[in-house]
Amino acid sequence: KNQVEQSPQSLIILEGKNCTLQCNYTVSPFSNLRWYKQDTGRGPVSLTIMTFSENTKSNGRYTATLDADTKQSSLHITASQLSDSASYICVVRNSNYQLIWGAGTKLIIKP
Amino acid sequence: GAGVSQSPSNKVTEKGKDVELRCDPISGHTALYWYRQSLGQGLEFLIYFQGNSAPDKSGLPSDRFSAERTGGSVSTLTIQRTQQEDSAVYLCASSRRQGADEQYFGPGTRLTVT
Repeated sequence: KNQVEQSPQSLIILEGKNCTLQCNYTVSPFSNLRWYKQDTGRGPVSLTIMTFSENTKSNGRYTATLDADTKQSSLHITASQLSDSASYICVVRNSNYQLIWGAGTKLIIKP
Repeated sequence: GAGVSQSPSNKVTEKGKDVELRCDPISGHTALYWYRQSLGQGLEFLIYFQGNSAPDKSGLPSDRFSAERTGGSVSTLTIQRTQQEDSAVYLCASSRRQGADEQYFGPGTRLTVT
C-alpha cells in the first residue's frame, strides 16, 4: 500500500536552533519526492524536489536528503526563524503520476 | 503573473444546501487539482483534470461531490446537500502539465456547514 508517514507530528523549537523533519514512504514505483511548506491559512508552497538519483539538495536554510534504498527523506532547517513556523508536508509521486501526501509536521518556532 | 485564485475565501452554509467553489488556475496550466484539508489533517485528493482528458475522479468521497472545468481553465467544485463532515478547507492547485511539475496552490476556501 502506498503510504507516506511523517514524524514528528509536531515540534516546538527556539528561534535560532536547527531541526530535522522525517518522511518515510512505501510508494512504488518511486518517481520523486517533494517537500512543501504550508503557512497557516495558506496553500502549500514547494520547497524542494528530490529525484531518485539525488541524495541532498539545499534551498537556503532548508536541506533535504533522500535515501532511496531505505525510502527515507529528511528536511533539515538551519538557524530557524519565526517565519519558519508552518506545516511541512512530504509528497511522493509514483511513476503512474499518483501523488501520495503525508499528514505533515507542524513546526512552531518560539522567540 | 497572478497565482491560483479561489473564491469565496470563506463560506458558511446550512446543512442540506448546495455550494459551489471556484478555482482560477494559473494561465497556461493544463493540470488542475482539487484537495480537501480537514483541521489539522493532511491533504485529501479529490479530483484531477488534465487538458481535455477525462478527469480522475477517484478521490471524490461521494456522489454529492462533482467538479467541472470549462474551457480548460476555470473549475467549479460543487457539493450537493452539504453535511457537517464536509466542513474543511478546499484547496485548488494547478501545474503546467501532468508529471513531475510543481503544483501551485490557491489560498483555499474554508467551508463551514452548520
